[in-house]
Parts: sequence; structure tokens; C-alpha cells
Amino acid sequence: QQKVQQSPESLIVPEGGMASLNCTSSDRNVDYFWWYRQHSGKSPKMLMSIFSNGEKEEGRFTVHLNKASLHTSLHIRDSQPSDSALYLCAARGGGSGNKLIFGTGTLLSVKP
Amino acid sequence: GGIITQTPKFLIGQEGQKLTLKCQQNFNHDTMYWYRQDSGKGLRLIYYSITENDLQKGDLSEGYDASREKKSSFSLTVTSAQKNEMAVFLCASSPSGANYAEQFFGPGTRLTVL
Repeated sequence: QQKVQQSPESLIVPEGGMASLNCTSSDRNVDYFWWYRQHSGKSPKMLMSIFSNGEKEEGRFTVHLNKASLHTSLHIRDSQPSDSALYLCAARGGGSGNKLIFGTGTLLSVKP
Repeated sequence: GGIITQTPKFLIGQEGQKLTLKCQQNFNHDTMYWYRQDSGKGLRLIYYSITENDLQKGDLSEGYDASREKKSSFSLTVTSAQKNEMAVFLCASSPSGANYAEQFFGPGTRLTVL
């Protein structure tokens, strides 16, 4: 059974600091990763996606992907209290249509 | 833009009861999904459907049934609610034909079983 592992489970960073979140898939057929953000009591919303090796930046958010190790990471610079949320990584296995496997999430708290 | 609505928002049931959750989307998306989220945890796929009248089992399908009678709606039935079960059930949809399509989520139904 395909698994998506996220680390750490929880993370506290000071306002203005850098938050780094990790995600690894155990399925060699995975070809695409998403990062979703879920604020408390709300539904998940897509933050970023990546399928090519390397890096993708959008504002304060940067996603890295190493396809050889099936590892992706999300980095948030200049973290704000409004970034406090559950961050979910999702991976799509090859040939599975749009079926995603979600990790258990990293709970980020940004302290003023 | 579009929207996904889920009803009811809160559902309280008794042990052994059959309970039905409903989801409607007006994105005109082909694929719809049901996930379960236990408190503060990740999402586990229960069922998904790639078109009207299609059903595909996810990793957590035991104890659940689903129904996709029309493109815009997808229902989930808890066949026999378990005591002390508490979770949020999230419905999502995505377009087909695009390999890397984003999934859009509804607001969720929070289930409590007494």
C-alpha cells in the first residue's frame, strides 16, 4: 500500500522565521506532488504542486522535488501567524487517474 | 468559479444506525471523492467516482457505500455507525482529462456517533 510520510508532525517557528516541511513517498510510480494547506476548522486548499525535479517558488513559498528519492519539501520564509495551519502533502501514483494519497500532515504554528 | 456543498454540516447518529452524507458540486467536474479526516490527521480516501454511475474503492471503503447517480452529486452512506466514532467527512471534485488536476474540497460533514 502506497504511503506518504510527512515530517515533522508539528513545528513551531517564530514570526519572520523559516519553516521547512518534508514529504516522502514509498511508491516508485509517483509522478506528481501537491501541498495543501488546511486552516483550523476549514477545508484543505491547494497551495502548490510540482512534478519536475528542482524548485518552484511562489512568493514566500518554495517547493523542492527530488524525483530519484521521491522527496519533496515545502519552505515558507518570513513566516506569518496566518501561516499557522495543517500542511498536507499528497502524491499521485502513475496510472491512478487523479487519485491522491495524502500524508498525515505537519501542524505548523507561527508564534508572534 | 464553482462551489461544493455538503449536507448536513453536523450529523449525530446512534450506534448501528445507517447514515447518509450528501455532496453537490457545480464545477461540472467529472471526478468526485469522499475522504475521512480524523482529528488533526491526514485524509483517507473512502470512495471516488470518475463519472456518473462509476464507483471506485479507496483504502477505507469497508463500512461505507457510495452512490453517484448524476454528475453533480455524490452520496456516502455509513452502513453501521460505530460508537465513539468522530470524524470529518470531506467531499472533493476535480476535472478529468487533465493529468495534474487540483482537487477542490467542500466544507465537510462532522460526524458524531453516540
